[in-house]
Amino acid sequence: RKEVEQDPGPFNVPEGATVAFNCTYSNSASQSFFWYRQDCRKEPKLLMSVYSSGNEDGRFTAQLNRASQYISLLIRDSKLSDSATYLCVVISGNTGKLIFGQGTTLQVKP
Amino acid sequence: DTGVSQDPRHKITKRGQNVTFRCDPISEHNRLYWYRQTLGQGPEFLTYFQNEAQLEKSRLLSDRFSAERPKGSFSTLEIQRTEQGDSAMYLCASSLVGETLQETQYFGPGTRLLVL
Repeated sequence: RKEVEQDPGPFNVPEGATVAFNCTYSNSASQSFFWYRQDCRKEPKLLMSVYSSGNEDGRFTAQLNRASQYISLLIRDSKLSDSATYLCVVISGNTGKLIFGQGTTLQVKP
Repeated sequence: DTGVSQDPRHKITKRGQNVTFRCDPISEHNRLYWYRQTLGQGPEFLTYFQNEAQLEKSRLLSDRFSAERPKGSFSTLEIQRTEQGDSAMYLCASSLVGETLQETQYFGPGTRLLVL
């Protein structure tokens, strides 16, 4: 079983739709959680950190449920430019190494 | 552009050849990470350095792979006797870690390797 699991999609949604991605992680000792965005043939870029209290950045909301070992990302009013792969990422321990999920592909259509 | 550079951006080689990749991190960043990403998968951790010390290596890093960061600045990743299964994107990331151990990793554009 992979340490971080995501539904690879693809998710095909119209502009303006709300879309949610989910992710589960297996190591209960995991300490830090992130969502990264990766455009086709580009490097991953940090989208946002994820906190137990939930956090919001514009149209993006991230939630962490430690009890269920579950992370989510909600995108409201999706734009064409949101089309990308969204990577769920976990850090366990003090090494800082990022453990990535497979990624979920989003395609926003006009 | 995050400020992390990698060279070359693309490399095509024949099976059995050796290849070397370079990563230049953001200046003053003390940690440097190497990851590998294959098609349809997320990046996988290979190894990392704190300054010039290599502190952890993944079991993915077979004895054909070696990484160095001799002066605590740039790093090189060498693959000897390449195999077709080594074809992937090799990503470098750097970060500045202080006493709180909080960090944000900034990725370079990657080196795309194709082994024929």
